[in-house]
Amino acid sequence: EPEVTQTPSHQVTQMGQEVILRCVPISNHLYFYWYRQILGQKVEFLVSFYNNEISEKSEIFDDQFSVERPDGSNFTLKIRSTKLEDSAMYFCASSEAGTVLNQPQHFGDGTRLSIL
Amino acid sequence: AQSVTQLDSHVSVSEGTPVLLRCNYSSSYSPSLFWYVQHPNKGLQLLLKYTSAATLVKGINGFEAEFKKSETSFHLTKPSAHMSDAAEYFCVVSNYGGATNKLIFGTGTLLAVQP
Repeated sequence: EPEVTQTPSHQVTQMGQEVILRCVPISNHLYFYWYRQILGQKVEFLVSFYNNEISEKSEIFDDQFSVERPDGSNFTLKIRSTKLEDSAMYFCASSEAGTVLNQPQHFGDGTRLSIL
Repeated sequence: AQSVTQLDSHVSVSEGTPVLLRCNYSSSYSPSLFWYVQHPNKGLQLLLKYTSAATLVKGINGFEAEFKKSETSFHLTKPSAHMSDAAEYFCVVSNYGGATNKLIFGTGTLLAVQP
């Protein structure tokens, strides 16, 4: 069964450094998402991406964050200047379609980001 | 705005006994609801989804959920728990009318299965 893959599984970074989290969505999917889960808290929506642009973003997704689909298969989340509070599990997800068909989102195993 | 409330943060059952994980939703519209499971150090796996077809939804691994509009509930059940069911379970609602169906998660229920 096709799956969403994320790399790395664990990333440790010094505060203030830039980090890029990588995702390969399922190949025929059109919508891509990033979520995060701070330890002990809910899974929170960050951003959705369709047709090479952001469709929707949350209040969390400020200027520090950016997303990109650089080559037609990868989908990346960049955090420009990391803060301690960015430490979390970051999940990538993809789906075949959006609102009309309510297709489920398929998630990767996540990247655990630790900011020191 | 849509939201979900998972009524139990922890549930413990014995192997072979029934599982009930409770979820209530709030939505101004007919919602799309999902249950996801997260095993330790793994991603979120879709168990089942409700999208306004049959109110009793069957999912993977013997789980099912019943949509009850009158009670605004979408409880997850399984007749007989297995050790491998120990995991965290999330009730999720899809953001109706949004551009891309962002998911809104409950706080999760940690299921422990005792031998």
